[in-house]
Amino acid sequence: EVQLVESGGGVVQPGGSLRLSCGASEFTFSSYSMNWVRQAPGEGLEWVSYISSTSTTIYYADSVKGRFTISRDNAKNSLYLQMNSLRPEDTAVYYCASSDYDFRSGLYYFDFWGKGTLVTVSS
Amino acid sequence: EIVLTQSPGTLSLSPGERATLSCRASQSSSSSSSAWYQQKPGQAPRLLIYGASSRATGVPDRFSGSGSGTDFTLTISRLEPEDFGVYYCQQYSSSLGEFTFGPGTKVDIK
Repeated sequence: EVQLVESGGGVVQPGGSLRLSCGASEFTFSSYSMNWVRQAPGEGLEWVSYISSTSTTIYYADSVKGRFTISRDNAKNSLYLQMNSLRPEDTAVYYCASSDYDFRSGLYYFDFWGKGTLVTVSS
Repeated sequence: EIVLTQSPGTLSLSPGERATLSCRASQSSSSSSSAWYQQKPGQAPRLLIYGASSRATGVPDRFSGSGSGTDFTLTISRLEPEDFGVYYCQQYSSSLGEFTFGPGTKVDIK
């Protein structure tokens, strides 16, 4: 069974930094593109960032561009999110999710999800 | 930016009834397709449908998806008590390099 396990969440002051990690097991990590998706308390889902299997393509949501950096280490089956200049509105559960591509429709979708790690930005 | 609108906001139905959830995009994306997810309280989302109509592994056949272009529908043919939760649609745009989720439809089981 595929397992994605996030870690690194916690409480940080506005303007601070945090690094999230996601470890993958029972899963050919190096073959999959990966993402971070977040969910503020009581709110819906918001995609944050995407990284292709070989790290050649990276995308960010406008809300985090210039502040967050996604990276991966295929040798360690790990995904990372470096979050700088954190704001109270970044408070959320952050999910690591793999994405697969449906060639018939041209759609990338999120097939496996971790359980999430909570990031709280507060003074 | 593509904006997804889901309706209704909340759906209260009895077990055995049919649920129809709608998702509309503000513009056509490069894929002209969608995915659907179910999320229960305190849990991560679960993939139900991708490519507008393909069921993910292990998803019961009472869940079906349809639509193309800017209008998509998730249908639950006969609601089971375990089908409560929030349902999200999602699109991807290769030209914009972005993924978008709708605001969700909450399904309550009476």
